[in-house]
Amino acid sequence: DVKVTQSSRYLVKRTGEKVFLECVQDMDHENMFWYRQDPGLGLRLIYFSYDVKMKEKGDIPEGYSVSREKKERFSLILESASTNQTSMYLCASSRQGLAKNIQYFGAGTRLSVL
Amino acid sequence: LAKTTQPISMDSYEGQEVNITCSHNNIATNDYITWYQQFPSQGPRFIIQGYKTKVTNEVASLFIPADRKSSTLSLPRVSLSDTAVYYCLVGLSYNTDKLIFGTGTRLQVFP
Repeated sequence: DVKVTQSSRYLVKRTGEKVFLECVQDMDHENMFWYRQDPGLGLRLIYFSYDVKMKEKGDIPEGYSVSREKKERFSLILESASTNQTSMYLCASSRQGLAKNIQYFGAGTRLSVL
Repeated sequence: LAKTTQPISMDSYEGQEVNITCSHNNIATNDYITWYQQFPSQGPRFIIQGYKTKVTNEVASLFIPADRKSSTLSLPRVSLSDTAVYYCLVGLSYNTDKLIFGTGTRLQVFP
């Protein structure tokens, strides 16, 4: 089974802190994604990566950055956390090509910024 | 980018067939249609994907009319454990274009 592991289920941070959310997948997938999920807004894509060191902005990249130094790991970085970044963050991975839409998700990290 | 529209919520009873329709009027020629299921406190889980006509797997069926401007996810004989949010996703599989999730349909199954 494909496994996508997010480093924390729950995280509480202070405004202005630098926050790292880590995601690791074990299926050698080329694509990795970061989403945030808020009530009434569904899933919104923050960033995605289709290869090591490659990244593309999603719909809501402002206030976030990402890092992909190894194929299996995709990190989401909040340079200076703000209260409006309190949300559920979901990481996903998929293969290239026709299977790109078949994304495997982690369990999510619920981040609270106080 | 193809945008999707789904009903916000649906109710059903155990044993009934449930059909959830997704509207995607500006779907592109190469776009595929994918459906996901999400339980509370979990990430979404892939259910089914199709391009045209009908696709069936052990979990669900996906019906896509000839004009592909909509699609219907059909869940046969739902149970309480099918209570979840269902997302319709339309996007191009070949390049790195952005994929868009719909807002989801919250299905509540009653005993």
